[in-house]
Amino acid sequence: KAGVTQTPRYLIKTRGQQVTLSCSPISGHRSVSWYQQTPGQGLQFLFEYFSETQRNKGNFPGRFSGRQFSNSRSEMNVSTLELGDSALYLCASRQGADYGYTFGSGTRLTVV
Amino acid sequence: GENVEQHPSTLSVQEGDSAVIKCTYSDSASNYFPWYKQELGKRPQLIIDIRSNVGEKKDQRIAVTLNKTAKHFSLHITETQPEDSAVYFCAASINNNDMRFGAGTRLTVKP
Repeated sequence: KAGVTQTPRYLIKTRGQQVTLSCSPISGHRSVSWYQQTPGQGLQFLFEYFSETQRNKGNFPGRFSGRQFSNSRSEMNVSTLELGDSALYLCASRQGADYGYTFGSGTRLTVV
Repeated sequence: GENVEQHPSTLSVQEGDSAVIKCTYSDSASNYFPWYKQELGKRPQLIIDIRSNVGEKKDQRIAVTLNKTAKHFSLHITETQPEDSAVYFCAASINNNDMRFGAGTRLTVKP
């Protein structure tokens, strides 16, 4: 069974640009969550999607948005990039409420 | 929302000793508490979890305890080995929704 797949693995963007990251969950997993990981802030919750609906949202500005498609694949978008957005963005999926999350390898975003 | 605090931020033990990492949570409705291990350059991986209807759970050398009254839970690793060196994250969520993580503990096991 394939794991959680995130693309691209690495990304370099210029301040002010926008970026879209993609996540394909494990087959059959309908819940997808996104986290931002930075050395000083640990794992910060961005949002969670289930059956194409955003179920929860963390404390991030409106520049961070996401969506989920009917095949459970998810994308997150960051507009008007700032230097502080440089981080590892992790996607995680789970089979159901009684299961833990499986994480993807992440997309490392560098904003210059 | 849920707030999870984790201590210590760094922990160094000698191989063979035990390691204990503690977390507290703020929302008494939280009922699912997983622990993740993240080795350098790798993704976090679930190593053990506990639900609020259980006080303790063991899996070989690792165990987790939960005190719902005090709203804290702990990870115990016995007979530590160098390969246990990693960053460990605790988390709490309500029905596995909106999972919030602690800041992480960097465990170093010295041979």
